[in-house]
Amino acid sequence: LAKTTQPISMDSYEGQEVNITCSHNNIATNDYITWYQQFPSQGPRFIIQGYKTKVTNEVASLFIPADRKSSTLSLPRVSLSDTAVYYCLVGEVGDMRFGAGTRLTVKP
Amino acid sequence: DTAVSQTPKYLVTQMGNDKSIKCEQNLGHDTMYWYKQDSKKFLKIMFSYNNKELIINETVPNRFSPKSPDKAHLNLHINSLELGDSAVYFCASSQGWGGRTDTQYFGPGTRLTVL
Repeated sequence: LAKTTQPISMDSYEGQEVNITCSHNNIATNDYITWYQQFPSQGPRFIIQGYKTKVTNEVASLFIPADRKSSTLSLPRVSLSDTAVYYCLVGEVGDMRFGAGTRLTVKP
Repeated sequence: DTAVSQTPKYLVTQMGNDKSIKCEQNLGHDTMYWYKQDSKKFLKIMFSYNNKELIINETVPNRFSPKSPDKAHLNLHINSLELGDSAVYFCASSQGWGGRTDTQYFGPGTRLTVL
């Protein structure tokens, strides 16, 4: 069961780049890393997924070092609407655990 | 054109009652899930169904019974409701069976309050 560790909270300001790091020391060889975003009173929403190196989409980038024991979600130029909880997940759905996530607060 | 929908959005009931929450997905996905998010905001999987068959059944009281009449629906029935059942319940779906690359799509949640 792959366990993940993230900071409980982070603050940022509009227009800044935000990097949220997740530790997953016991990641299995076949595991992918998936990030979800959850706004208050809504269900989680898929942001990005990767296996190694770097993945980029229209919303974020995901950086994964060679040892894959951690990953960093990068949100470029955040806005107030990016205030949410961000979850890092590893493994199969049945093995994944949504922990407390990282509560990102973007300030004006 | 909501992808994953749940009804009702809010449910307030008395202890001991029986209630159901309905979930429907129009994405053509093969697998559906139920999650519980408690007051501390931890989101925990309860069940998953793949093509109407139960594939994940986490340790939840047997008062909780999922029912999948077809691939697009997964309802959650709860008997003899208790105070500790108060939480937000999320339905989700995914294309595959919940493998390592599967992406889940979540519904808006049902906030259950047991008085």
